[in-house]
Amino acid sequence: DSGVTQTPKHLITATGQRVTLRCSPRSGDLSVYWYQQSLDQGLQFLIQYYNGEERAKGNILERFSAQQFPDLHSELNLSSLELGDSALYFCASSAWTGVTDTQYFGPGTRLTVL
Amino acid sequence: AQKITQTQPGMFVQEKEAVTLDCTYDTSDPSYGLFWYKQPSSGEMIFLIYQGSYDQQNATEGRYSLNFQKARKSANLVISASQLGDSAMYFCAMREGPQGAQKLVFGQGTRLTINP
Repeated sequence: DSGVTQTPKHLITATGQRVTLRCSPRSGDLSVYWYQQSLDQGLQFLIQYYNGEERAKGNILERFSAQQFPDLHSELNLSSLELGDSALYFCASSAWTGVTDTQYFGPGTRLTVL
Repeated sequence: AQKITQTQPGMFVQEKEAVTLDCTYDTSDPSYGLFWYKQPSSGEMIFLIYQGSYDQQNATEGRYSLNFQKARKSANLVISASQLGDSAMYFCAMREGPQGAQKLVFGQGTRLTINP
């Protein structure tokens, strides 16, 4: 158990819909990252937040948005869903130890768009 | 251009044998970090081992060690005395970006199967 929690575990929805994925980081971790894992694209970085501020952005679609709240949990919002958005979405968190900032991953949310 | 290359899509190994999973990387940044993660069929991503670019010694964590050859830009994962539970996908990743705004770039992975 990494200490990172994600809900829901599975999500099935229809094209055009909007969903929200939730992540709680490990206790004390200020950084939260979102990744998408799909068969054709592999593991892709989407976005990073640090203590509520957006710090880094990857190839995140405009239909996707995220935020980190004062209690440090984060949400990833996916709207106008398309079939191609079906994927495993991971949240990870990290803290700088003085040597490294290893990212620990949650169990993922498997999104299926029908 | 691929920043992380894992050339072995699949590997089959007998139980109790050692196995080496290959990873080469490409970066011009003198400071970087390399990570290996394991993804079992259940789907979670499990951190295994970390190697910093300035580390003088190869990293080790139990049965996992990292064969770091900086000049060759390779960071191969070595699993000693493999076990059936080691069957999984293995991903090599490199941390890139400025301090505080970093991301992991992953390779395509190697599917390891341990045969009894």
